[in-house]
Amino acid sequence: DQQVKQNSPSLSVQEGRISILNCDYTNSMFDYFLWYKKYPAEGPTFLISISSIKDKNEDGRFTVFLNKSAKHLSLHIVPSQPGDSAVYFCAASGSPSLGRLYFGRGTQLTVWP
Amino acid sequence: DTAVSQTPKYLVTQMGNDKSIKCEQNLGHDTMYWYKQDSKKFLKIMFSYNNKELIINETVPNRFSPKSPDKAHLNLHINSLELGDSAVYFCASSQAGGGLGKLFFGSGTQLSVL
Repeated sequence: DQQVKQNSPSLSVQEGRISILNCDYTNSMFDYFLWYKKYPAEGPTFLISISSIKDKNEDGRFTVFLNKSAKHLSLHIVPSQPGDSAVYFCAASGSPSLGRLYFGRGTQLTVWP
Repeated sequence: DTAVSQTPKYLVTQMGNDKSIKCEQNLGHDTMYWYKQDSKKFLKIMFSYNNKELIINETVPNRFSPKSPDKAHLNLHINSLELGDSAVYFCASSQAGGGLGKLFFGSGTQLSVL
């Protein structure tokens, strides 16, 4: 039962442009959402998160938007850089077990010069 | 200095064997996890330990036995390995209570069962 879905397995964007990665979830009990980034042969690393009481969280070039009514979140990267090329995982959690994360299958982002 | 380190990085073994994966974290975290990434790329939680106590056991076959000798270590022992156990196993740690979902992952152990 896939509770977090990333329907785009890959995304290709030119350097300097915006990358938009999308994620949908089905469980209305989720109240904390995160994005992780993964390079080959490494573990996922935390990128940015958002609580369900907010609809936007920004950290430098990265912004996460949450639409609770649509059960949808997105990650915007502006401007995209070649070093951003990685697999991006969307994850969700419901308190109190915030360490129990439900992950999507990931989106491979390629940023080309 | 690696924050969460797990060994070995690659593990190739025959069906029926018993193997262990070791994990250590030097972040001072109270909570450690094992996650499994299967062939379809889904990352799923297997176990969670808080200060050496089992907190989450996600309906994993009892051939999988985690052991936490202290809060900085969480090892995974797998008995009678099966073909379907082939996957990448990630160890992770966080502050107590899940760290608001901010987990620190090791680089993974690629297990191949032949």
